[in-house]
Amino acid sequence: AQSVTQLGSHVSVSEGALVLLRCNYSSSVPPYLFWYVQYPNQGLQLLLKYTTGATLVKGINGFEAEFKKSETSFHLTKPSAHMSDAAEYFCAVSGQVNDKIIFGKGTRLHILP
Amino acid sequence: EPEVTQTPSHQVTQMGQEVILRCVPISNHLYFYWYRQILGQKVEFLVSFYNNEISEKSEIFDDQFSVERPDGSNFTLKIRSTKLEDSAMYFCASRSSGYEQYFGPGTRLTVT
Repeated sequence: AQSVTQLGSHVSVSEGALVLLRCNYSSSVPPYLFWYVQYPNQGLQLLLKYTTGATLVKGINGFEAEFKKSETSFHLTKPSAHMSDAAEYFCAVSGQVNDKIIFGKGTRLHILP
Repeated sequence: EPEVTQTPSHQVTQMGQEVILRCVPISNHLYFYWYRQILGQKVEFLVSFYNNEISEKSEIFDDQFSVERPDGSNFTLKIRSTKLEDSAMYFCASRSSGYEQYFGPGTRLTVT
């Protein structure tokens, strides 16, 4: 079975500050990990994904995430927040055999001017 | 860039009525999915579909739900007799042989 836990349903950061959104996963098989972003009244857009290989993954809009197997974590970071980053962010996991995606509850990111 | 499309963007229906939500996956994709997101909650898997049959379905996907690929381009989700609790955003997704699922913009279903 697989599950995702996102710490913090709401995170506020100042414009220009570091963004850190936390995600921990549970998986009985080697996981595929994803971060999706959802802007208000829109669909889900893939920010980045980890499948195999390099554990530091770079995505769109300056975001990156690091897969840490020992910590079962896949935290999302961005060095400098921009107002346009305000959105809901979902961490998600799927397995190599069972490919449905299991989503976390999401973290709403607020950017303070 | 190819994208998944969904129609309608918003559907309002009365309790007990049948609804069909339509999706056009990316043309060379072989695996198809439906997810739903109740307002304020997380996105939940409903069903996956490959080779003209259901690969997996969740507990949510009961006998009131069905999926179909009626032709080479459309993928539909039917809810036979809608309930108030079916009100949600429904997302279609598709993928090729890789593991990245591409999501459509969603259909907001409101059951009154």
